[in-house]
Amino acid sequence: DQQVKQNSPSLSVQEGRISILNCDYTNSMFDYFLWYKKYPAEGPTFLISISSIKDKNEDGRFTVFLNKSAKHLSLHIVPSQPGDSAVYFCAASVPNFNKFYFGSGTKLNVKP
Amino acid sequence: DVKVTQSSRYLVKRTGEKVFLECVQDMDHENMFWYRQDPGLGLRLIYFSYDVKMKEKGDIPEGYSVSREKKERFSLILESASTNQTSMYLCASSASHGGYTFGSGTRLTVV
Repeated sequence: DQQVKQNSPSLSVQEGRISILNCDYTNSMFDYFLWYKKYPAEGPTFLISISSIKDKNEDGRFTVFLNKSAKHLSLHIVPSQPGDSAVYFCAASVPNFNKFYFGSGTKLNVKP
Repeated sequence: DVKVTQSSRYLVKRTGEKVFLECVQDMDHENMFWYRQDPGLGLRLIYFSYDVKMKEKGDIPEGYSVSREKKERFSLILESASTNQTSMYLCASSASHGGYTFGSGTRLTVV
């Protein structure tokens, strides 16, 4: 049973607008969350993280929001650019544990 | 520049062959992982290792084995390749309680 879920397999957004990618999790023990971006034929690259002691973390155009009560996190990209077109994975881990659980990914297409 | 290097970007193997996928990291990381990525299924953990000569099964270990004789190297072995093992294979490493650094992936096709 997947503990981390990304229910939208794809998302299409116009350049310059906001992209919102969503992720839900079931394990209330998760305390550290990551977002990765993956281009075709390349490995995923780290994008942004958030610890459960925070509800928001921002890095340039990328902001991650964490709602612990809803077991939900989201990644906001503002403004979206065509180079952001990729598959985005969210991942989560429990305290003092080295293994991350990944969602199934959301393919973002930013149209020029 | 820190790196996780996977020895092959593309491989084509025949059904029944024994296949070795190699992964080397230069970050002195304790933890190493093998995932496969399939459309609609995301990243699924095959095996991982917390230390030299240690290994643990992930979510889908069937048909695979691993070897970690040195800290920097983690090998994935397909004992007898089958067509349902056609996939993108991703190696990753991490320090204790840290995020992953991924390799570029190996696209394996079993015919």
